[in-house]
Amino acid sequence: AQTVTQSQPEMSVQEAETVTLSCTYDTSESDYYLFWYKQPPSRQMILVIRQEAYKQQNATENRFSVNFQKAAKSFSLKISDSQLGDAAMYFCAYRSAFWDSNYQLIWGAGTKLIIKP
Amino acid sequence: DGGITQSPKYLFRKEGQNVTLSCEQNLNHDAMYWYRQDPGQGLRLIYYSQIVNDFQKGDIAEGYSVSREKKESFPLTVTSAQKNPTAFYLCASSADRGSYEQYFGPGTRLTVT
Repeated sequence: AQTVTQSQPEMSVQEAETVTLSCTYDTSESDYYLFWYKQPPSRQMILVIRQEAYKQQNATENRFSVNFQKAAKSFSLKISDSQLGDAAMYFCAYRSAFWDSNYQLIWGAGTKLIIKP
Repeated sequence: DGGITQSPKYLFRKEGQNVTLSCEQNLNHDAMYWYRQDPGQGLRLIYYSQIVNDFQKGDIAEGYSVSREKKESFPLTVTSAQKNPTAFYLCASSADRGSYEQYFGPGTRLTVT
């Protein structure tokens, strides 16, 4: 069974600086998707970025980028120029690409990101 | 505006009572999901539905029940058999079973005393 681990329960960063959130996963599959979701205090879950395992190029969305290391099963999220609105819980999630997996999302426990003004 | 609505935002019940959480979407999505979120844990899948009149159990279905009589609606009933029902419940949908992106509702905080 697949598992997702976020080893940092909480991280803090000064506003305008860069922070990296860690995520590792365990799977025997070769084709899958990885996601970072953000959950602000409103508790609305918002997709931040996704990565397809078959793509070697790291995904980027504005100030958010990932470092996808397939062999190491690592999927970290880098937030550049941190803003107060980035303060939230960040969840890493895994989804198999195979049809018989039921496409279930497997979630990490989350990292709370604090932005210091 | 398209989206997912969950009501109510906060729900309080006495132990032993069944309670139904509402989830409605106007995104024309085929697939819908119910998750439970507890402090310090990731989301756990309760039930999911890929099409109308069909649903499957997730990892923690015991003590819960669902129905999918309409495409846009996927209500979750928390029964008295659920041993620890106090939690935050999130509903999500995706265009179809294979779509990688799930869209989430604002959630319902259920407190059972």
